[in-house]
Amino acid sequence: SQTIHQWPATLVQPVGSPLSLECTVEGTSNPNLYWYRQAAGRGLQLLFYSVGIGQISSEVPQNLSASRPQDRQFILSSKKLLLSDSGFYLCAWRLHYEQYFGPGTRLTVT
Amino acid sequence: KQEVTQIPAALSVPEGENLVLNCSFTDSAIYNLQWFRQDPGKGLTSLLLIQSSQREQTSGRLNASLDKSSGRSTLYIAASQPGDSATYLCAARGGGSQGNLIFGKGTKLSVKP
Repeated sequence: SQTIHQWPATLVQPVGSPLSLECTVEGTSNPNLYWYRQAAGRGLQLLFYSVGIGQISSEVPQNLSASRPQDRQFILSSKKLLLSDSGFYLCAWRLHYEQYFGPGTRLTVT
Repeated sequence: KQEVTQIPAALSVPEGENLVLNCSFTDSAIYNLQWFRQDPGKGLTSLLLIQSSQREQTSGRLNASLDKSSGRSTLYIAASQPGDSATYLCAARGGGSQGNLIFGKGTKLSVKP
């Protein structure tokens, strides 16, 4: 069966510090991978998606970037965090029809 | 541009009641529609997926329907239980098989014992 992992589960970072969030999927090959952000009182916002290794599509301009160095690994990064980057970050994968989500990372920028 | 709306934003019911959560979308050319459940501080759990050619899907006490022509989907929960308390989100996929999900903001359900 397939599983999706995200780490860390929670993170508190000061403004201006770098960020690296990791997502890995097990039990499937060549999935579509997604990064979402969920801010308080707002819906799920799609940040990036990838249909293959090294291929990244950005949905909104922002302070973040994404990379897919391996088939089942998806990384969300920032060089300098802003207060507005705080939120709940969710990774997801899809192979055919149904989309599945990871447990999320709660990021607080102070 | 696809927009997904969920009404009501919050709902409180007594245990045992049957209830309906509503989801509407502006562009009827969807590929499929997916319902999720989210518990506080957790990721999303997929509940039901309805393909555009289907009218409904059932899983246990849950039944989801899809009416593309009217741009609506409903999630029916039978005999609600306190464990059903969570936020329920619907998401529509457009743009063919490679399209991305567009989410509603969810309905927060509270089932009182």
